[in-house]
Amino acid sequence: QAVVTQEPSLTVSPGGTVTLTCGASTGTVTSGHWPYWVQQKPGHAPRTLIYDTNNKQSWTPVRFSGSLLGGKAALTLSGAQPEDEADYYCFLTCSDGRVFGGGTKLTVL
Amino acid sequence: EVHLVESGGGLVQPGGSLRLSCAASGFIFSDRHMDWVRQVPGKGLEWVGRSLSKAHSYNTYDAASVKGRFTVSRDDSKNSLYLHMTSLKAEDTAVYYCIVSPPGFWGQGTLVTVSS
Repeated sequence: QAVVTQEPSLTVSPGGTVTLTCGASTGTVTSGHWPYWVQQKPGHAPRTLIYDTNNKQSWTPVRFSGSLLGGKAALTLSGAQPEDEADYYCFLTCSDGRVFGGGTKLTVL
Repeated sequence: EVHLVESGGGLVQPGGSLRLSCAASGFIFSDRHMDWVRQVPGKGLEWVGRSLSKAHSYNTYDAASVKGRFTVSRDDSKNSLYLHMTSLKAEDTAVYYCIVSPPGFWGQGTLVTVSS
């Protein structure tokens, strides 16, 4: 089964910009992997911010965007807010099933 | 409004069985693919299995870690998704979530504890 890799942790300043990435051991991540980005805050259920590469949910703040970048899926946060501090997981559909990355712990500091 | 409500979790002994349910509302259930995902407390998310929609012949897929022990099924007449779990191990202890995807709506989860 494919291994999905994410940065274990990132720090961004309030108002700053940060990009989280999601790579696959099988090679280039494409739109055919239907990348999802899932946010989870402590004590809460996960919720999807981005699905199918760049589609937002109704609750997804405008400052979040999804894309494909350098062979990976990417989640860009422009204008970070304190409430964006959370764990972020990418989720890919691969040939033998679906796979989560290990998650990125994002600190806003 | 989409609602997913998981149920059926609880304490079960190693080697035991359990069936989780996910009651769905707010969308045409038969049109949607559904997933089970689990999370060991304090750890990351792990995909468990998938049930494709009626248009995709209700095909199912399982993660390697549960293959042969867990089975995903659905009953479109009841708008419900199920996870049949057998030969449970301590490492299956987790919160189990159902998801409708696309677009990735999650339920609140149900806790399964495997312990003697």
